[in-house]
Amino acid sequence: DVKVTQSSRYLVKRTGEKVFLECVQDMDHENMFWYRQDPGLGLRLIYFSYDVKMKEKGDIPEGYSVSREKKERFSLILESASTNQTSMYLCASGRGNQPQHFGDGTRLSIL
Amino acid sequence: GDSVTQMEGPVTLSEEAFLTINCTYTATGYPSLFWYVQYPGEGLQLLLKATKADDKGSNKGFEATYRKETTSFHLEKGSVQVSDSAVYFCALRVYNQGGKLIFGQGTELSVKP
Repeated sequence: DVKVTQSSRYLVKRTGEKVFLECVQDMDHENMFWYRQDPGLGLRLIYFSYDVKMKEKGDIPEGYSVSREKKERFSLILESASTNQTSMYLCASGRGNQPQHFGDGTRLSIL
Repeated sequence: GDSVTQMEGPVTLSEEAFLTINCTYTATGYPSLFWYVQYPGEGLQLLLKATKADDKGSNKGFEATYRKETTSFHLEKGSVQVSDSAVYFCALRVYNQGGKLIFGQGTELSVKP
């Protein structure tokens, strides 16, 4: 079974902090994705990556950056956390046009 | 641009009732369509998919048919169980952009005994 592991289930940070969310997949997938999930808005794509060191902006990239130094790891970075970034963050991975596999999510609170 | 619209929730049903969750889409090209399910406290799991017009996806008693003429992919189940209580997301894979998905807003389903 594909395993997508997010480093934290729950995280509390303060406004202005730099926050790192980590995601690791064990199936050698080339594609990796970061979404945020908010009630009534579904999942919105923040950034995605098709290969190591490659990244593409999704629909809501403002205030975020990403890093993909190794194929199995995709990090989401909040450069200076703000309260409107309080949300559930979901990482996913996939190969080609096959369905994405999701991690269990990180519920992030910015105080 | 491409988009997905789902019926609003929450939907509350009694056990063994018939379920329909409506999903319509707008897309260029020929998207693939998906239903994902999110159980409480978990990430999303793929429930079923359809890759071309008139395809029917099915899994765990759930079904959805890719209707190109009505741009719809409605989710149905003949007899729901309490364990089906979850949030259901309809999604389309954007044509010619690798694995990128666009999701609907999600529909929460609550099944009462």
